[in-house]
Amino acid sequence: SQQGEEDPQALSIQEGENATMNCSYKTSINNLQWYRQNSGRGLVHLILIRSNEREKHSGRLRVTLDTSKKSSSLLITASRAADTASYFCATALSGTYKYIFGTGTRLKVLA
Amino acid sequence: DTAVSQTPKYLVTQMGNDKSIKCEQNLGHDTMYWYKQDSKKFLKIMFSYNNKELIINETVPNRFSPKSPDKAHLNLHINSLELGDSAVYFCASSRFTGTSGRALGNEQFFGPGTRLTVL
Repeated sequence: SQQGEEDPQALSIQEGENATMNCSYKTSINNLQWYRQNSGRGLVHLILIRSNEREKHSGRLRVTLDTSKKSSSLLITASRAADTASYFCATALSGTYKYIFGTGTRLKVLA
Repeated sequence: DTAVSQTPKYLVTQMGNDKSIKCEQNLGHDTMYWYKQDSKKFLKIMFSYNNKELIINETVPNRFSPKSPDKAHLNLHINSLELGDSAVYFCASSRFTGTSGRALGNEQFFGPGTRLTVL
């Protein structure tokens, strides 16, 4: 099966709430990245966390990485309607340019 | 200025036809990619070029042929189109870092996508 799998597949929350989505992967990685895709658009890079990092912040985003469990989580705090999108994790396999994308989490933030 | 651009945005064609999608990036990146996103939003890498050299070729039918005339361009030509080729195709680019034999993944910049519909 594919390298990255995310859960939940879909998430619906109220504006102002926090949204957490998780990603699991299977092999050694250089880094893990999170991307956002708005409907009908290309993917936009959000944050990159390297394999020797455990946590990273960017604005309202917080990413954690647990290499022992081969998992990562993306937390979006104080969500807004504009955060409605699909979120993908992507892992770069060690020593390669091969990126494996997860199945994505569809987030809907209700105003 | 658009960082990664693709043309056309929409492509509707009949089975059996040959078509091309073009991609250009003005970010000065050395590495470019083609991805296919199916109807379930699953995104799968197809090809990657680094400095015009093919470095990733993921079990894609040989009806698909990428061509990189220079490191700012990566085009995708598809022969004998089939119904199953219908998808959104994304081009992306990234910087190269790492040394020979050990590459490091970097942030990718994606184009807006080309929605291909084969009838």
